[in-house]
Amino acid sequence: GESVGLHLPTLSVQEGDNSIINCAYSNSASDYFIWYKQESGKGPQFIIDIRSNMDKRQGQRVTVLLNKTVKHLSLQIAATQPGDSAVYFCAENMGSGNTGKLIFGQGTTLQVKP
Amino acid sequence: GAGVSQSPSNKVTEKGKDVELRCDPISGHTALYWYRQSLGQGLEFLIYFQGNSAPDKSGLPSDRFSAERTGGSVSTLTIQRTQQEDSAVYLCASSSGPVNSPLHFGNGTRLTVT
Repeated sequence: GESVGLHLPTLSVQEGDNSIINCAYSNSASDYFIWYKQESGKGPQFIIDIRSNMDKRQGQRVTVLLNKTVKHLSLQIAATQPGDSAVYFCAENMGSGNTGKLIFGQGTTLQVKP
Repeated sequence: GAGVSQSPSNKVTEKGKDVELRCDPISGHTALYWYRQSLGQGLEFLIYFQGNSAPDKSGLPSDRFSAERTGGSVSTLTIQRTQQEDSAVYLCASSSGPVNSPLHFGNGTRLTVT
């Protein structure tokens, strides 16, 4: 079946370092990918998204890379801050063009050490 | 502006009772989604509304689950004859359309079935 997963359940980084969170997906038909950040007790917060016709997209301190050949997605966070500590989820759509009907991965917990 | 609002934030109910969960989407957003997040897990799609079209109910886990959206705005998710496995956080999200628009989530309703 379809699955979206992250390679590491927990990632610990030093404040100021760059963070890379990885995600593997299995649905070749997916044409939209998105990253969310979730803090305890809150709903997921949109970080950045990318369509399958792109391989890189940059936001403020974040970059998403998409490698369709190996079905791999990554989120890079520059100069990680304590406020970045949260659970990060990648998600893919189901290839329908719908950007809201998503399959989520299990999440990676990012811990930022001061 | 205001984000997605959900109520109640917490709900404890006895097994076998019915519950109603409410979602107020962002004003002007035509697409509304319900997701479920079990403890320590990723999000699972339940149902999707777009404008006046018939909802996509493909993610509902059983016929005990139903949802409606009145006037193209507020939505209610109803779970009948609740079971312990229904315990989870129920998240509502909205977007300005089903394509080209990321989902914006509320903070969810934590449902506990005793």
